[in-house]
Amino acid sequence: AQKVTQAQTEISVVEKEDVTLDCVYETRDTTYYLFWYKQPPSGELVFLIRRNSFDEQNEISGRYSWNFQKSTSSFNFTITASQVVDSAVYFCALMGVYFNQAGTALIFGKGTTLSVSS
Amino acid sequence: NAGVTQTPKFRVLKTGQSMTLLCAQDMNHEYMYWYRQDPGMGLRLIHYSVGEGTTAKGEVPDGYNVSRLKKQNFLLGLESAAPSQTSVYFCASSYPRRGAIGEQYFGPGTRLTVT
Repeated sequence: AQKVTQAQTEISVVEKEDVTLDCVYETRDTTYYLFWYKQPPSGELVFLIRRNSFDEQNEISGRYSWNFQKSTSSFNFTITASQVVDSAVYFCALMGVYFNQAGTALIFGKGTTLSVSS
Repeated sequence: NAGVTQTPKFRVLKTGQSMTLLCAQDMNHEYMYWYRQDPGMGLRLIHYSVGEGTTAKGEVPDGYNVSRLKKQNFLLGLESAAPSQTSVYFCASSYPRRGAIGEQYFGPGTRLTVT
């Protein structure tokens, strides 16, 4: 079975603090994809990153960085120097490559609500 | 490009009423999906489609039906609405990417309340 766990339900930080959002996943697939999505208060879902299981290189995009470790089945997301505009719900998601056989698509975690105050 | 659009944005139904949610995408994507989002539950897949004329059940399909008569449209129907179907519904689309799965692009969501 596939599962995504985001153990942190809510995180509150003050602007300019660094914050890491944890994501732990379970899958039996050898090839799979991991995603992060952002859902700001306006409600839409914004794609942030897609990572396949063969690429364990960490990625940095501006203030965002992602740490993928297959050994611990984790795909953590760090925001450096957080800003008020980062306040949102962040979802980690998993997809097995054979999703159309398994009858599932993206498996989402329950999300982490990040509140950044000024 | 409008991306993924959903109609309507909001709707209130009475128990037992029926309705159809429309999802349209202009990105020529093969795959389309319907999810529901409930507080504290993340998003859960209702139904999906891997191409025109094909549909399949997801994690929580009961009480819903879908159709994909045209590649760009994916309809979600509620035949007899129940309060348990009060939720925010998201449509998404994606494309095959190097033989695998590309990222999903989401619509703005439809907030449905069943009283």
